[in-house]
Amino acid sequence: EVQLVESGGGLVQPGGSLRLSCTASGFTFRNYWMSWVRQAPGKGLEWVADIKQDGSEKYYVDSVKGRFTISRDNAKNSLDLQMNSLRAEDTAVYHCARESYSNWNRWFDPWGQGTLVTVSS
Amino acid sequence: DIQMTQSPSSLSASVGDRVTITCRASQRISNFLNWYQQKPGKAPRVLIYAASSLQSGVPSRFSGSGSGTDFALSISGLQPEDFATYYCQQSYSTPFTFGPGTKVDIK
Repeated sequence: EVQLVESGGGLVQPGGSLRLSCTASGFTFRNYWMSWVRQAPGKGLEWVADIKQDGSEKYYVDSVKGRFTISRDNAKNSLDLQMNSLRAEDTAVYHCARESYSNWNRWFDPWGQGTLVTVSS
Repeated sequence: DIQMTQSPSSLSASVGDRVTITCRASQRISNFLNWYQQKPGKAPRVLIYAASSLQSGVPSRFSGSGSGTDFALSISGLQPEDFATYYCQQSYSTPFTFGPGTKVDIK
């Protein structure tokens, strides 16, 4: 079974840091781009960042550039998101997602269940 | 960045109805358009990828159409388990962006 499991969420003060992790199983992790997607409480979906199969390319949404860093360890089938200088507006459930692909099209499948990050004093 | 809009933002429908949700991109994105369904407290799941390809395991009552800037998701014969929020998402360029969602509830 293809599965993604996130961990590392919690309550953090504004300006603080948190590191999220995602463990993949059931597929060849090193063959896929991977993404983080977040959802603020009661709001829609926002793509945060993604990383190429070998880690050589990384892309971020503007609102997290310079504060968040995506990384992966293909030997451990794991994906991380280091979040620094956290703000209240970063409060959300963070999902990791595999970028499935066909030709040049990519889509998010599957998704992990998510881990909640709350930024509050 | 490519902006995605959806209409309507919500709709009420009955079991058995045919429902259509539209999605528009702020620039041409060919067929780089995906549709997701999300139920409360759950992760989204993909229904349609590349504008019109049905994801494996998704019922055939779901269908997608469109290319360029205008897209649609149709559900023919709405079932009780289809009441959810639906999102479109472009994968033409980063930052990947989602529409604001369409909530489908029971009339």
